[in-house]
Order: sequence, then structure tokens, then C-alpha cells
Amino acid sequence: SQKIEQNSEALNIQEGKTATLTCNYTNYSPAYLQWYRQDPGRGPVFLLLIRENEKEKRKERLKVTFDTTLKQSLFHITASQPADSATYLCALDPSTGFQKLVFGTGTRLLVSP
Amino acid sequence: DGGITQSPKYLFRKEGQNVTLSCEQNLNHDAMYWYRQDPGQGLRLIYYSQIVNDFQKGDIAEGYSVSREKKESFPLTVTSAQKNPTAFYLCASSMGVGATNEKLFFGSGTQLSVL
Repeated sequence: SQKIEQNSEALNIQEGKTATLTCNYTNYSPAYLQWYRQDPGRGPVFLLLIRENEKEKRKERLKVTFDTTLKQSLFHITASQPADSATYLCALDPSTGFQKLVFGTGTRLLVSP
Repeated sequence: DGGITQSPKYLFRKEGQNVTLSCEQNLNHDAMYWYRQDPGQGLRLIYYSQIVNDFQKGDIAEGYSVSREKKESFPLTVTSAQKNPTAFYLCASSMGVGATNEKLFFGSGTQLSVL
């Protein structure tokens, strides 16, 4: 069956450290993968998109990698801050002809001062 | 400011009642979507629309209905046939077919609860 999985346990780290979140998928061949940030009671906000032919994408303190062999994407936040505390969702395009993103369950990140 | 507006923020439904969630966008996007979010689950697609006057069922359309009479509006009706409607409902839009950067823009959501 098709699955997209993120660690359901919250990730607790100290301010200034690098946070690394994982997104694994099974039985998909996505053309691209996206990462979103969601705060409690709010809608997700787009952060980064990485295509299947790109290994790495950066935006300020954010970095995303995409390994189509391992069927995995890693999302890194360097020099993390308490304001980075949120739930991070990965989403992939299942390449069904029209974009109908499939979302993971999200991983909650807690950054302590 | 451009964006997506969902209303109301909180909604309560009585047994046997239909309720309608509003979604309006001023981004001039062709495509619009409705997702449902339950605790511990990923966003699940209810309905989507690629263009005005056209819409398709998503993965969990049973008990829901939509219309797309105007480009900027995509209301969702939760009917009495939906037996477990309590959830956080998210409306989203994207530029549409043919765009190279198909990120979604989300509204701030409607929390629907059953009385």
C-alpha cells in the first residue's frame, strides 16, 4: 500500500542546535516533495519544494534533501530558535495527472530556550 | 492583502443538520481544494476544483458536497450523511494546471464540532 510517514513523536531540541525531521514514503514515485509549517489552530504555510532531480534545496536556515533511492526526504533547521516550534508536514505529488498532494501526519518540533 | 479567507472559525452542528463552510480567495487561482485534518492523521482530500463550474471527488467525499460557481469561492457543505464530521477543515488554492510551482496556499481553517 502507499504510505507517507513522519515521526509522530515530538522532537525536542535546545535553541541553537540543528533540528532534523524525516519523511519516508512507500510505493510512490513523486515528481516533487514539499514541506509546510503548521501552527496550532492555523492552516499550513508552504516552506520549500524539492524536485526529483534535485538532491538538496536551501532557504535561509532551512535545508531539504530528497533521496529517491531511499524514498526519503530530510528537513533541517539550523541554529534553531523557540519561534521555530511548530508542526512540520511533508507532502508529495503522487504524479496522478493533476496535483493532489498527499500529506504526512506531521512532526511536532519543540525548541527550548 | 491577497489570501484565502475561511469562515466561520468555529462551527457547531446538530444531529441531522447540514452546515456550510465558506472559502474565498483573491489570489486569482484556478484550483481550489478542501482538506480534512483529524488528530494523528495527515490532511485528507475531500473535494477539489481545477476550474470554475467543475469539481471532482477526493479520497473522502462521502457526506460532503461542494460548488464552484465563481472562481474566488468554493463552499463546502457537510451533510447529515457525514456521521463523523468533527474535524478541522482546511481550504486551499493553487495556481492550477500547467503552473510549475504548485505550492498550496491555505486558509486558517474551520473547526467543526457536533453538539
